[in-house]
Amino acid sequence: DSGVTQTPKHLITATGQRVTLRCSPRSGDLSVYWYQQSLDQGLQFLIQYYNGEERAKGNILERFSAQQFPDLHSELNLSSLELGDSALYFCASSVALEGEQYFGPGTRLTVT
Amino acid sequence: GEDVEQSLFLSVREGDSSVINCTYTDSSSTYLYWYKQEPGAGLQLLTYIFSNMDMKQDQRLTVLLNKKDKHLSLRIADTQTGDSAIYFCAAMNTGFQKLVFGTGTRLLVSP
Repeated sequence: DSGVTQTPKHLITATGQRVTLRCSPRSGDLSVYWYQQSLDQGLQFLIQYYNGEERAKGNILERFSAQQFPDLHSELNLSSLELGDSALYFCASSVALEGEQYFGPGTRLTVT
Repeated sequence: GEDVEQSLFLSVREGDSSVINCTYTDSSSTYLYWYKQEPGAGLQLLTYIFSNMDMKQDQRLTVLLNKKDKHLSLRIADTQTGDSAIYFCAAMNTGFQKLVFGTGTRLLVSP
């Protein structure tokens, strides 16, 4: 157990809908990262927050957004969902801006 | 940008050593990681090495880094059936906080 929690574990929704994925980092970690794992794209970095501020952006679609709250938990919002958004979404956390990233168990999103 | 490559599959017998290889393209990568993913599970950080090191040993795991060739390997000694999983190599460049992952190597350990 890495200490990073993610909810929900599974999510099934229809195209065009909007969902919110939630992540709680390890106690004491200030950085939160979001990654997407799909069969065709592999593991791709989406976005990083550090102590409430966006710090790095990767291959994140405009339909996706994220935020980190004062209690350091983070949410990833996915809207206007398409079939191709079906994937495993991982959250990771680290103590500082860099260094070892510890991953949560992931949220499996299925868009039908 | 950074590109990380791994072979897709490795099969070994229980008790043998496994060596999983990885190459990366960005010589500025300063942190190199190995993660393990079991079916239906998240990514477990196994070990990491800084770019100024050649080798790191952690119990059954040995990481070798050839910075000149941009080649990283993970050796698992006395491989057990419980080591069967997908192993990901990942690189990070100081100043760019994202991890760039390889495609993963599926390790199958047979009794």
